[in-house]
Amino acid sequence: EVQLVESGGDLVQPGGSLRLSCVASGFTFSAYEMNWVRQAPGKGLEWVSYIGTNERSIYYADSVKGRFTTSRDNAKKSLYLQMNSLRAEDTALYYCARVSSGWDLWGQGTVVSVSS
Amino acid sequence: IQLTQSPSSVSASVGDTLTITCRASQDVRSWVAWYQQKPGEAPRVLIYAASSLHSGVPSRFSGSGSGTEFTLTIYNLQPEDFATYYCQQADSFPLTLGGGTRVEIK
Repeated sequence: EVQLVESGGDLVQPGGSLRLSCVASGFTFSAYEMNWVRQAPGKGLEWVSYIGTNERSIYYADSVKGRFTTSRDNAKKSLYLQMNSLRAEDTALYYCARVSSGWDLWGQGTVVSVSS
Repeated sequence: IQLTQSPSSVSASVGDTLTITCRASQDVRSWVAWYQQKPGEAPRVLIYAASSLHSGVPSRFSGSGSGTEFTLTIYNLQPEDFATYYCQQADSFPLTLGGGTRVEIK
């Protein structure tokens, strides 16, 4: 089955760290660019980060630049988001999304909650 | 690049034709996609490259535009179309999305 499965979301205190994972199956992961997209409770979608098919092209939203790091392991068909210095405003459902004809494949999301 | 969607919400009836507009703060050529999101679900792509219908999406969905103004039109609105719609630009980083348009049943 063609799918993306995120994991790693949790409740964390402000200033803490978390690492999200997104595992792909059913397609050639290494051939696709990927994004992280988040959605705060009751709010719209916000793009977080993009990574090319290798790690030479990586971009971030200004709101996370310097705090979040995106990486991938094509051998493990996995995408990662290392989140440091977390803030209350990072609380959201985090999705990974495949880039093809638009963002054509999404995971179900993993919840990150930042609170003391 | 800022994307401004209008309206932010709209009430419509089954069978109506609905148009949602997305205006970009600068030229994004044809690098716009449209997504539909229902409560509790991940978004799904409807339109990419401004006017290309994604595989499996009903033909009552149509996208048009280039440059700074884009539209998503839904013909013959169906009960399953009541959802929130987002535009997204892929012309340059940072990538951005519109604020969303919530389509409700009248």
